[in-house]
Formats: sequence, C-alpha cells, structure tokens
Amino acid sequence: GNSVTQMEGPVTLSEEAFLTINCTYTATGYPSLFWYVQYPGEGLQLLLKATKADDKGSNKGFEATYRKETTSFHLEKGSVQVSDSAVYFCALSVRGYSTLTFGKGTMLLVSP
Amino acid sequence: EAQVTQNPRYLITVTGKKLTVTCSQNMNHEYMSWYRQDPGLGLRQIYYSMNVEVTDKGDVPEGYKVSRKEKRNFPLILESPSPNQTSLYFCASSFDRNTEAFFGQGTRLTVV
Repeated sequence: GNSVTQMEGPVTLSEEAFLTINCTYTATGYPSLFWYVQYPGEGLQLLLKATKADDKGSNKGFEATYRKETTSFHLEKGSVQVSDSAVYFCALSVRGYSTLTFGKGTMLLVSP
Repeated sequence: EAQVTQNPRYLITVTGKKLTVTCSQNMNHEYMSWYRQDPGLGLRQIYYSMNVEVTDKGDVPEGYKVSRKEKRNFPLILESPSPNQTSLYFCASSFDRNTEAFFGQGTRLTVV
C-alpha cells in the first residue's frame, strides 16, 4: 500500500535558522508528492508539490525535491521566521487510488 | 474567491443527538472528501465522493454518513454521535482524486 513517514516533532528553531523536515514514502506506482501547512486554528493549505522524479517544488522560500531513488521529499527552508510556526504535512497521491495519503504531521515552533 | 466552506466551526453536542456538518465548495470540483484529525494520528479519511451520487468509504467510516446530491455540497452526518467522535473535522475538494486538495477551515466537534 501507500504510506508516508515524517519526522516527529516538535521541531524547535530560532529565527533565521535552517529548516529540514524529513519525509519518506512508499507507493505502489508513481506518486505525486505534496507538502501542506496548517497554521493554528486553520485548515490545511497546499505549500508546494512535485509530480515527477527530480522535480523541485517551491513556495514562500520553502523547497522540496522529489527523489525517487531515496523515496524522499524533504522540506527545506534556508531561514525560518516566527510566522512559519505551524504543522507541516507530507502527502502523496497515486493514480488509481482514491485518496491522498498523509503523514502524521510535524509541528514547527520558531522563536524570536 | 475559491474556497471550501464548512459550518459550524465549533459544535458541542450530547451523545445520540443527530447532527450534520455542512460543506460547500465553489470551484466546480468533482472530488470531495471528509477527514478527521486527532492528536498522534494525523489525518484520516472518513468518506469521499468522486461525483454526484457517488460516495465511498474511507479509512474510518463507522458512525458517519454522507450524501452528494449536488456537486458543490457534501454534508457529513452523524446519526448517533458518541464521545469517540470528538475530533477536528475537515472537508476537502479537488478537481480529481489525484490533484491538490483544498481544505475547509475545520469543525471542532465535542460530544459529551
């Protein structure tokens, strides 16, 4: 089946630090990969996506590269801000399956 | 503005009292789904619908019902709520089952 594994949080960083949140997956077929962000009290929003191997998704200073050889889609940002504090979800979808598969989420806390 | 609207945002009810959480989208999406979010368990899909009058069970359908009589609406029905259905619920829609999902703001349900 399909599954997504994310690093457990919370991840606690100081402002301007470098961020990596690890995500690995197993999939039957060729998945599309997504990162969603959930700010406090809100629903999930798409942060970035990649639909094929070696694609790099990017948005708001965040990046993630679809690595087929390591089945990974790690999220990175060079300099985090307090406003980046949120829960981040890695997810995948595979053609022929009827659902997005989510990881359990990683909470990021950024202090001034 | 493209959006998914859920109501109510907060609901406290008693065991056994039927309730409905409404969900509406204005993007003409064919695919809609319901998730529940619980600490340590991430997002789990309850039901999904690939089009009008087409619905199917997700990972945790017990105790829930849905209907899809119109393309834009996908209500979640709890016929006899129980305390273990206390959770944060999200409705989502997408063009199809493999494209990025748009989420509502969430409904926090407490069953006492």
